[in-house]
Amino acid sequence: AQSVTQLGSHVSVSEGALVLLRCNYSSSVPPYLFWYVQYPNQGLQLLLKYTSAATLVKGINGFEAEFKKSETSFHLTKPSAHMSDAAEYFCAVSDRRGSQGNLIFGKGTKLSVKP
Amino acid sequence: ETGVTQSPTHLIKTRGQQVTLRCSSQSGHNTVSWYQQALGQGPQFIFQYYREEENGRGNFPPRFSGLQFPNYSSELNVNALELDDSALYLCASSLAQGSYGYTFGSGTRLTVV
Repeated sequence: AQSVTQLGSHVSVSEGALVLLRCNYSSSVPPYLFWYVQYPNQGLQLLLKYTSAATLVKGINGFEAEFKKSETSFHLTKPSAHMSDAAEYFCAVSDRRGSQGNLIFGKGTKLSVKP
Repeated sequence: ETGVTQSPTHLIKTRGQQVTLRCSSQSGHNTVSWYQQALGQGPQFIFQYYREEENGRGNFPPRFSGLQFPNYSSELNVNALELDDSALYLCASSLAQGSYGYTFGSGTRLTVV
């Protein structure tokens, strides 16, 4: 069975600092992995996805994530935080290969950005 | 290109009542999935519809049911509401074939009192 663990329910960084949000997964099949962002009172917006192509995935808003099979990790990074990055971030794994797979989400990490 | 729209945005119901939530999928998308997001938690998969048939279901009781219509819009019905059903309900649409990606709506906030 697939599962996702996000380390740290709350991360706080200063504006301009590195953002690192951690995600480890468990999957019985080669995984498809995703990061979504959720702003208050809104739905989920896809930041980036890994679907077995390049292991370093670049997404929107300057975010990127690296798939590391040996570590079963898919950590999200951004070199320089902006105030507008403050939101909740969810890592997700698909429960099966193919475009009809369903998403299994972690519990989320709330990112705060201090001026 | 329109995104996924959900209605209503907020809803308050009494325990034991029934509720229907609605979702219009993104133009061209033929698959709709529903997720429940309790406060402080990640979304949990309820079920998925493809070509008007249920195409996968998560660990939710039968009082959670759904429909998909020929225009690919969808409804989520919940009977015999319980307090724990209070959550944000998210609808996501996708293409059954092609590149992998879901488009999520902004959700319906259901409060059961």
